[in-house]
Amino acid sequence: QSALTQPASVSGSPGQSITISCTGTDSDVGGYNYVSWYQQHPGKAPKLIVYDVTSRPSGVSDRFFGSKSGTTASLTISRLQAEDEAYYYCSSYAGSIALVVFGGGTRLTVL
Amino acid sequence: EVQLVQSGAEVKKPGESLRISCQGSGYVFPRYWIGWVRQMPGKGLEWMGSVYPGDSDTRYSPSFQGRVTFSVDKSISTAYLQWSRLKTSDTATYYCARRKYESLNVFDIWGQGTMVTVSS
Repeated sequence: QSALTQPASVSGSPGQSITISCTGTDSDVGGYNYVSWYQQHPGKAPKLIVYDVTSRPSGVSDRFFGSKSGTTASLTISRLQAEDEAYYYCSSYAGSIALVVFGGGTRLTVL
Repeated sequence: EVQLVQSGAEVKKPGESLRISCQGSGYVFPRYWIGWVRQMPGKGLEWMGSVYPGDSDTRYSPSFQGRVTFSVDKSISTAYLQWSRLKTSDTATYYCARRKYESLNVFDIWGQGTMVTVSS
């Protein structure tokens, strides 16, 4: 069982928006503004798309938007494209012992 | 170009030892923590721990403490992940990743992954 809870799958049509949730506790997501999101295509390494809840690395599309409320973080992908079909993982800082925790991952299907 | 290049796939038997590597280039290797992440077949990402090449400081996830060892060789900008006695449950793809400067949990550069298969 993963430390952070994500839905197993979400889907949407091209051009639509979808949101993936990531639920933790006061010891991780709720306690720090250090939530990251990674995109992973099958057979490939993960790629950082959002960090520190809302920041995007250089080169990442502004269609990816991160947010957080309490112990739940969210990733919203707007104007869905076929290339967005992938697995998405959230991650949070979890204090000086656990340090880093991941969610179980969400499979995004673009219909 | 900033990149991490990992060693190739391995096939081992239970009880054998193994060391896989992760070589950094295009940046000042000693200044950035390197994290190790496990992905078991068809499963999600698990943080195993991190090592700081500058002074070999290490942090292990409680789930992996005592099961694996991190090390580095600064002279060749390489980090290592080592097992002394493999189990079949160690079958997975292992990623190294650079922790973003001054961050606590952000991995901005990833290696291509090393697939480890442990089978009798």
